[in-house]
Amino acid sequence: EVQLLESGGGLVQPGGSLRLSCAASGFTFSTYAMSWVRQAPGKGLEWVSSISGSGGSTYCADSVKGRFTISTDNSKNTLYLQMNSLRAEDTAVYYCAKKVGGFATQTHYWGQGTLVTVSS
Amino acid sequence: QPVLTQSSSASASLGSSVKLTCTLSSGHSNYIIAWHQQQPGKAPRYLMKLENSGSYNKGSGIPDRFSGSSSGADRYLSISNLQSEDEADYYCETWDTNTQVFGGGTKLTVL
Repeated sequence: EVQLLESGGGLVQPGGSLRLSCAASGFTFSTYAMSWVRQAPGKGLEWVSSISGSGGSTYCADSVKGRFTISTDNSKNTLYLQMNSLRAEDTAVYYCAKKVGGFATQTHYWGQGTLVTVSS
Repeated sequence: QPVLTQSSSASASLGSSVKLTCTLSSGHSNYIIAWHQQQPGKAPRYLMKLENSGSYNKGSGIPDRFSGSSSGADRYLSISNLQSEDEADYYCETWDTNTQVFGGGTKLTVL
């Protein structure tokens, strides 16, 4: 059974940093592309960033480019999102998601999400 | 990059059927999409992949009441015999070589 468990969310001041983690199990982690998708309070889903199974290719939304970095540790089956220079508009539930194959495929499984609040 | 357009809301009666629409932007009418369901207070759940041809492939455990179809740039999610648990937000998703896109979502109310 595929399981995705996010952690690392919390309250952070504007301009601060936070690292999210997603522990994956139930599948061969290095075979599948992974993504972070966020949802601001009362709003829809917004793609944030994705990474190939090998970790060799990364993709990022313009809204977070230069501030957020996605990475993986395949030895720990863990996906990360390093978030720097955080802004109030980054406040959202952040979901870890597994693709059905490479990057250019659909999202197949979702984690339960972790809440990030950016506020002074 | 592709853009996905969805109606913000829809409603239908318990036991009836509903058809939700996701429209691809100009120049992207042949794109594959996926449908996801998000029940109140829960994480999204994958429903199906839907191709330009109308062929669809559902996720594990998705009831037969859910089906997909396509016409031109429009991708449809049909739900028959509506149940109370079908009241949810429904999102379509697509992707390009270096981007992933979600529609704005349709809030389905079961009356």
